[in-house]
Amino acid sequence: DIQMTQSPSSLSASVGDRVTITCRASQSISNYLHWYQQKPGTAPKLLIYAASSLQSGVPSRFSGTGSGTDFTLTISSLQPEDFATYYCQQTYSAPWTFGQGTKVEIK
Amino acid sequence: EVQLVQSGAEVKKPGESLRISCKGSGYSFTSYWISWVRQMPGKGLEWMGRIDPSDSYTNYSPSFEGHVTISADKSISTAYLQWSSLKASDTAMYYCARHTVSGPRYFDLWGRGTLVTVSS
Repeated sequence: DIQMTQSPSSLSASVGDRVTITCRASQSISNYLHWYQQKPGTAPKLLIYAASSLQSGVPSRFSGTGSGTDFTLTISSLQPEDFATYYCQQTYSAPWTFGQGTKVEIK
Repeated sequence: EVQLVQSGAEVKKPGESLRISCKGSGYSFTSYWISWVRQMPGKGLEWMGRIDPSDSYTNYSPSFEGHVTISADKSISTAYLQWSSLKASDTAMYYCARHTVSGPRYFDLWGRGTLVTVSS
């Protein structure tokens, strides 16, 4: 199985901060890497697909980069509604796997 | 409206059987695969398996194969997740999600989840 490791596991940030979350795959996954946001009590929501493509309706402050084994999700200016848990996922090879999540909290 | 509507919360006893459902609407149900994702209390997301509703072909994660069954009835645009003998460790929220058959296969539409509680 391909292991997905996110860092950090949690972070505290203020509104307006630039936030970067990293996801590393245990082997190359090309660009089959996607990012999801989950708020408490709700289903995950797709933010970025294929490493860098912004899902329709998602604010442009979210961006993704990377290919192969190393990927990043960046929030350029953190907004109050962005406090949530973020997951990366690979769909390059079954079983598809998620990172352990990164919880973004208010500082 | 394009949506996946999941069945309601369930409370079961260990050893009981259960089937939960996920109904697609507003799109061509057979044009996308459906995956099931588990989220145990306070934990992360785990992919369980997927089904192609057009022919009911399935793939399972080794972690779940043999313990759950994924099926679909394309005539009513519904996918199912089934247990024949529940365990307390099956207590979790279960989400269905759709994804494209080819390409990056990202999960662009999710159901709201079905909470399954297994307790004696």
